[in-house]
Amino acid sequence: GAVVSQHPSRVICKSGTSVKIECRSLDFQATTMFWYRQFPKQSLMLMATSNEGSKATYEQGVEKDKFLINHASLTLSTLTVTSAHPEDSSFYICSARSTSRGEQYFGPGTRLTVT
Amino acid sequence: QKEVEQDPGPLSVPEGAIVSLNCTYSNSAFQYFMWYRQYSRKGPELLMYTYSSGNKEDGRFTAQVDKSSKYISLFIRDSQPSDSATYLCAMSRVNTDKLIFGTGTRLQVFP
Repeated sequence: GAVVSQHPSRVICKSGTSVKIECRSLDFQATTMFWYRQFPKQSLMLMATSNEGSKATYEQGVEKDKFLINHASLTLSTLTVTSAHPEDSSFYICSARSTSRGEQYFGPGTRLTVT
Repeated sequence: QKEVEQDPGPLSVPEGAIVSLNCTYSNSAFQYFMWYRQYSRKGPELLMYTYSSGNKEDGRFTAQVDKSSKYISLFIRDSQPSDSATYLCAMSRVNTDKLIFGTGTRLQVFP
């Protein structure tokens, strides 16, 4: 149990375009989902906390107009990187917290490359 | 001072060794403690989740929490090459809060 999926696993896009990444909890409900960014050989950097049915809470320094988060249901959250630039290239990982038990489970990550 | 300190390693051990991974923290409000394993280019995998002082065992893994010393450990018995990964400790004040991560320890188990 406790599987979180992400789609796509890899995406290459041109500078100026927008990219949407989906995060789904497959076998449990998640009131809260989190979006992280990870650079090579570094730990996870929390970008935002997403609560079902309400606006996301962004960490300091993260542009909310650039990284749009929508948490439309208890099993789906999306991150849209708008007007992507090469510096947005990174590994994006979501996690979902089990509503019933409290543990956080991570998705497999999405590697974004902006050319 | 970081809220959570973790030795980045790398830690290199022979197959079959007992591995000890550690984190210290400064905020006594942390009550929930987790260990994750992350393979290269993959998302972290939850190994252990605990919220009380003492030991918790799951197969070859034992998580230890000492709240009085603000110190947590993960022990891996009979380590295998497949255990080679980065191990991240994480903690939160309440189980509904965001996680605070250590920097991760890279472990290499050689045959």
